[in-house]
Amino acid sequence: AQSVTQLDSQVPVFEEAPVELRCNYSSSVSVYLFWYVQYPNQGLQLLLKYLSGSTLVESINGFEAEFNKSQTSFHLRKPSVHISDTAEYFCAVTSVGYSTLTFGKGTMLLVSP
Amino acid sequence: NAGVMQNPRHLVRRRGQEARLRCSPMKGHSHVYWYRQLPEEGLKFMVYLQKENIIDESGMPKERFSAEFPKEGPSILRIQQVVRGDSAAYFCASSPQREATDTQYFGPGTRLTVL
Repeated sequence: AQSVTQLDSQVPVFEEAPVELRCNYSSSVSVYLFWYVQYPNQGLQLLLKYLSGSTLVESINGFEAEFNKSQTSFHLRKPSVHISDTAEYFCAVTSVGYSTLTFGKGTMLLVSP
Repeated sequence: NAGVMQNPRHLVRRRGQEARLRCSPMKGHSHVYWYRQLPEEGLKFMVYLQKENIIDESGMPKERFSAEFPKEGPSILRIQQVVRGDSAAYFCASSPQREATDTQYFGPGTRLTVL
């Protein structure tokens, strides 16, 4: 069985501050990890994913996440956030042999001026 | 290349009525997944379909819910005799292959409100 824990339901930050959104997973097999972003009243968009290789993965808009197998974590970071980053962020996991994603409950990132 | 399409975007039903949610996958994608998002919850997997086949329905309630993905036309999620607890956002995703490494592309969702 797989599970994902996002410890923070809401993270308020000021514009241009750094942010870290935490994600821990549980799985008995090798995993593939994803971060999705959901803007208000929209569907989910893939932000970045870890499949294999380098444990640090980056998105085109400045986010990065690091796969840490020993900590079973895949935290999302950005060194300087913008107002437009305000959205809900979901961490998800799947594995070889699984066809579907298991999601965390999401973290609402609130960026204020 | 159009993305995943879902309609309607908003659906209001009274208790006891039927709800039909439609999903057209991205062009070239033959794998469709349905997820439900309840308030304050993450997305929960419901059912995974390939053309004309249900591959995994382990997340689907045993009663009142059904899904299909016919050879022609969109995938349909059908909820019979809706109850207030069915109020949620229902998202469809599609992928080109069955591989776990394939990205699932999500539609904008259908927000179902049961009065």
